[in-house]
Amino acid sequence: DAKTTQPPSMDCAEGRAANLPCNHSTISGNEYVYWYRQIHSQGPQYIIHGLKNNETNEMASLIITEDRKSSTLILPHATLRDTAVYYCIVRAYSGGGADGLTFGKGTHLIIQP
Amino acid sequence: DSGVTQTPKHLITATGQRVTLRCSPRSGDLSVYWYQQSLDQGLQFLIQYYNGEERAKGNILERFSAQQFPDLHSELNLSSLELGDSALYFCASSVDEGVGETQYFGPGTRLLVL
Repeated sequence: DAKTTQPPSMDCAEGRAANLPCNHSTISGNEYVYWYRQIHSQGPQYIIHGLKNNETNEMASLIITEDRKSSTLILPHATLRDTAVYYCIVRAYSGGGADGLTFGKGTHLIIQP
Repeated sequence: DSGVTQTPKHLITATGQRVTLRCSPRSGDLSVYWYQQSLDQGLQFLIQYYNGEERAKGNILERFSAQQFPDLHSELNLSSLELGDSALYFCASSVDEGVGETQYFGPGTRLLVL
């Protein structure tokens, strides 16, 4: 799987948009970009994923650059409950089935009141 | 609530013992994944099963094993436990095993080895 680079921590004011960057410069054509978050020690929560096009769902938007070497997760109106560690993951297909997700250290997003 | 259930929530045991962690995937999901999260290693993929067959292995120790049963629930067996096995163990499931399939995680089992 391609390696991802994320800032270790970020702050954002409550009510503002939180923009979390991720670099994945070695991504290949069949690799998806996934975003998960983990609040305290709860199970990781799926947020969004994409291949080439920008994606939006009820939680967030995912913007992938045209060269696919980086992406940004956007939480449009951050709340205190969005404080969590956010993981950007690139997932590759291998052999007869897909492997598990490779989690890095993620970005600890802290929403300030 | 992801729809993935794990039991027990907490487990305390002694070194050298054996434990079994259980996971029930979301209804309709055929693929089950196990992960370990420890303070020093972070979240690591252990093993994947699809419709009862082992599909992929990650950083799983030989003392650990898993299986997926005909009703699709899965069990992770940890034996000859060591202090370093203390961790959170998560199960995830997905409908299929393709790379575009989303994995949904359970709440985890917290294992403490004394």
